[in-house]
Amino acid sequence: SQQGEEDPQALSIQEGENATMNCSYKTSINNLQWYRQNSGRGLVHLILIRSNEREKHSGRLRVTLDTSKKSSSLLITASRAADTASYFCATALNYGGSQGNLIFGKGTKLSVKP
Amino acid sequence: NAGVTQTPKFQVLKTGQSMTLQCAQDMNHNSMYWYRQDPGMGLRLIYYSASEGTTDKGEVPNGYNVSRLNKREFSLRLESAAPSQTSVYFCASTGYFRGHTEAFFGQGTRLTVV
Repeated sequence: SQQGEEDPQALSIQEGENATMNCSYKTSINNLQWYRQNSGRGLVHLILIRSNEREKHSGRLRVTLDTSKKSSSLLITASRAADTASYFCATALNYGGSQGNLIFGKGTKLSVKP
Repeated sequence: NAGVTQTPKFQVLKTGQSMTLQCAQDMNHNSMYWYRQDPGMGLRLIYYSASEGTTDKGEVPNGYNVSRLNKREFSLRLESAAPSQTSVYFCASTGYFRGHTEAFFGQGTRLTVV
């Protein structure tokens, strides 16, 4: 079963509004990452938060992590039409044997209307 | 650097035909992956290779084979294509980057089996 599950599956907002996407996971993690996928393209890394961090910012992106609830949220502030894409969380599991393995969720499809 | 390069970008096969999807990365990464992406299903791992000379099954390996030809190249073969294999296929590699494991994706191969 999926390690990460994003919520909601789809989100439609107006330009200028904030967009919040959530991710829940099941097992202990080393870090959690968010990726973006434009239509028809590969995924691109956006931001990473380590298991000992609670909040991280990068430009208009804000990521939070609650390890007690095994959840993370991605906030995009002042959204633009160009933010329209699918957003995936990915978890890096917390044991050395899987150093290279990232487990992806199903994604949230964000649509920002101009 | 080209990153992760996949070929072809598009392919139409008849049921029962075979083909090989090619993937190469120039980032000296040890781990490489093949995913398929279907509407509403997110990314599902088909096979992965943690290092040159090793391959392991992922979540949905049936109907596929892989070859880790060398550190750069990881190919995915469909021996007898079925309509259920119509999907978008992504190759990815992971490397240790800025203190954490990060995934880099190819642009995808859109495969239709008729």
